[in-house]
Amino acid sequence: GENVEQHPSTLSVQEGDSAVIKCTYSDSASNYFPWYKQELGKGPQLIIDIRSNVGEKKDQRIAVTLNKTAKHFSLHITETQPEDSAVYFCAAIPSSNTGKLIFGQGTTLQVKP
Amino acid sequence: GAVVSQHPSWVICKSGTSVKIECRSLDFQATTMFWYRRFPKQSLMLMATSNEGSKATYEQGVEKDKFLINHASLTLSTLTVTSAHPEDSSFYICSAPGLPQAGGPYEQYFGPGTRLTVT
Repeated sequence: GENVEQHPSTLSVQEGDSAVIKCTYSDSASNYFPWYKQELGKGPQLIIDIRSNVGEKKDQRIAVTLNKTAKHFSLHITETQPEDSAVYFCAAIPSSNTGKLIFGQGTTLQVKP
Repeated sequence: GAVVSQHPSWVICKSGTSVKIECRSLDFQATTMFWYRRFPKQSLMLMATSNEGSKATYEQGVEKDKFLINHASLTLSTLTVTSAHPEDSSFYICSAPGLPQAGGPYEQYFGPGTRLTVT
């Protein structure tokens, strides 16, 4: 079945710097890759997603890139702010497309003011 | 956006007792809900798919007799951890799919999670 690996597990950056989180997946037929942000006491919230027919997607300070050949996708946050501090999860929906999400291990991002 | 609530947000129980966690879709109907658990510094692991009006579908390695799931209505799914043990201590999160997106899968809406501690 699908397996998603996420790195790094923790990331600390200075306010204003960029942050990059990387994920790899195993099922080459996976076609949907969402990113979730989980703040303390809250459930994961979708922040951006990308489908397999697109190589890059951007939404203000957040961007995601997808390399289907290498089977990896990355989250890029520019001009980080303290409120970006949270746990970020990547996920993939395998080819069976039953709606199940296979998550990466999560990255705890700390943005220091 | 759609809202999913969970109750309780945290619970402490003694070993051997049972604990029920509720997951509600507040402003939409969900014929399917998903239950996940997360251990510290690990991924969100899918436990089971809750189906309204029928039996839940459990992932490999998840004991269905220990984690009882009931999806009695279009807005409520419950997870009961029976005869809880300290190793069941974890963060449990439910999700429900929202409206279908054009050409793609449903967006998942997550509850805030329930922290279970078994002493």
